[in-house]
Amino acid sequence: DAGVIQSPRHEVTEMGQEVTLRCKPISGHDYLFWYRQTMMRGLELLIYFNNNVPIDDSGMPEDRFSAKMPNASFSTLKIQPSEPRDSAVYFCASSLSREGLGNIQYFGAGTRLSVL
Amino acid sequence: SQQGEEDPQALSIQEGENATMNCSYKTSINNLQWYRQNSGRGLVHLILIRSNEREKHSGRLRVTLDTSKKSSSLLITASRAADTASYFCATDSSWGKLQFGAGTQVVVTP
Repeated sequence: DAGVIQSPRHEVTEMGQEVTLRCKPISGHDYLFWYRQTMMRGLELLIYFNNNVPIDDSGMPEDRFSAKMPNASFSTLKIQPSEPRDSAVYFCASSLSREGLGNIQYFGAGTRLSVL
Repeated sequence: SQQGEEDPQALSIQEGENATMNCSYKTSINNLQWYRQNSGRGLVHLILIRSNEREKHSGRLRVTLDTSKKSSSLLITASRAADTASYFCATDSSWGKLQFGAGTQVVVTP
């Protein structure tokens, strides 16, 4: 398997624009997670899905952020409108909930977002 | 809020030396994991230790867990330049959510 695939790797946009980040989890995994990483706040969990259903979105900063998982092989994180403080690296991760395995998460390479 | 807190924040050692970093957490856990992040990359899982285990080994890695003190340590023996990375502990208290610490930045110089 190619692992978790995120696109784009880098995104530069202007304040007020809509940004869409994409993620393809590892095939067969039933959990998908979106994280944001900054120097100031470290790694923050934004939202996670189980079998395509959002389970916990308490980490989503505000209504400008939304995430969807229309099927088991694709998820998006959308920011509309974007602001400079949204600049960060956004990671997607997936895991498989098999008994005894523990919640081992596999991360994508991340999307580095810069909002000017 | 972050469940795990790593100590030290940064560590600089020479190749061949051992590197030890610690993680403290606040609430009861099912297991604790360690991840590595190379610069500009995603996190990579290293090792998982369950709450009923005290020590675990994987190659040059040794992890200990003391649930009475709510702490864990990661030891990397005979470090190499390729071990230069940030290391994070993550606690799993309810299935689904992992809470990551702030990380320890390790630099191994040749």
